[in-house]
Order: sequence, then C-alpha cells, then structure tokens
Amino acid sequence: AQSVTQLGSHVSVSEGALVLLRCNYSSSVPPYLFWYVQYPNQGLQLLLKYTTGATLVKGINGFEAEFKKSETSFHLTKPSAHMSDAAEYFCAVSDDLYNQGGKLIFGQGTELSVKP
Amino acid sequence: DGGITQSPKYLFRKEGQNVTLSCEQNLNHDAMYWYRQDPGQGLRLIYYSQIVNDFQKGDIAEGYSVSREKKESFPLTVTSAQKNPTAFYLCASSINGLLSSGNTIYFGEGSWLTVV
Repeated sequence: AQSVTQLGSHVSVSEGALVLLRCNYSSSVPPYLFWYVQYPNQGLQLLLKYTTGATLVKGINGFEAEFKKSETSFHLTKPSAHMSDAAEYFCAVSDDLYNQGGKLIFGQGTELSVKP
Repeated sequence: DGGITQSPKYLFRKEGQNVTLSCEQNLNHDAMYWYRQDPGQGLRLIYYSQIVNDFQKGDIAEGYSVSREKKESFPLTVTSAQKNPTAFYLCASSINGLLSSGNTIYFGEGSWLTVV
C-alpha cells in the first residue's frame, strides 16, 4: 500500500532563510508525486508535481523538489523564504498505473511559519 | 472564470440530520472527488467518480453518500450515520482519472461542517 510521511508537523524559518520540507513515500510502483499548499480556510493549490523525466522539478513561487528514488524522498525546497510562504504544505503520492481513479494519498501536512 | 465551486462555505448540522454539500465544476472534467480534512491528519478520500452515473467508495465512505447525475455536479450528503462529521470538506476534479503528465487534481475552496 502506498503511504506518505512528512517529517515535522511544524517548521519555522526566518525570512530569507532556506525552506526545506521533508517528504518520504512508500510505493511498490513508480510513483507520481505532488506538493500542494493550503492557506487558512482555503482549498489546496498545486505547487509542483513529478510524473516522469527530470527528477528536479520546479514549481510556482520559487519552490522546487527533487525525486530521489534511492531515498524514496521528494523534499520541497525554496532558497529564500518570504512572509507570504507561511501556509500548510502537503505532499501526496498517486499510483496511477492500476487505474485507481487518480486518487491521491496525502501526508499529514507541515505548517510553515516565517519569522520576520 | 473556470473552477470548482463549493457551497455553503459554513454549515451547521444538528444531531440526527442529514446535510448536503454542493460541488459544481465548469472545467469539463470527467473525474471528481470528495476529501475530508481533519487537523493534523491530512486529507482522506471519501468518494470519487470517474464518469457520470458511476462512483466508488474511498477510504472513509461510511456515513456518507454521493450522486453523479451530471458531469459538472458531485454533491456529498453527510448522513446521521456519520458519527463525527465536524470537519473541513474539499471537493476536487481532474480531466480524467489518470494522473498522466498533463493532468492535475484541482481543489475547491472547501466547506466547513460543524455539528451543534
């Protein structure tokens, strides 16, 4: 069965510092991997996704993530945090190879705080 | 504007009542989903539908029901059998149920349901 683990339910960084949000997955087949961001009382917005091809994926708002098969990881990074990055971030995995309806399995979420 | 509209944003339910959350999309997507979000637990799939007049149970379908009579609409009914319905509910859609490189799951803004 697929699963996603996000290390750290809360991460705090200073404005301008590196953002690193960790995500490890478990999947018996090559996964599709996603990062979503959620602002308070709102829906989820896709930041970036990995399906096939280049393992370093660039997304919106300066975020990027690298798929590392050997480490079963898909960590999210941003070189310099901005106050507007404060939100909750979700990592998700999908095993689409068995046509399971494109369902996503989500991690527990990581709340990012940015200090001035 | 194209998108996913959920209503109402806030809903209060008395014990023993059924309530229905609306989800409408004008993206011409075939697949639609309902997720439940509880604090610190990420998102869990309730039901999904890959095509009109067809839907499947997700991981936590007990106490919920859905219908898919029209492509653009996927209402969720929270029945009195759902023992702990207070949560944030998110509707989502995708072009189809296959998360290929050009496909993404898009989310609505969510609905808060509170039992009073």
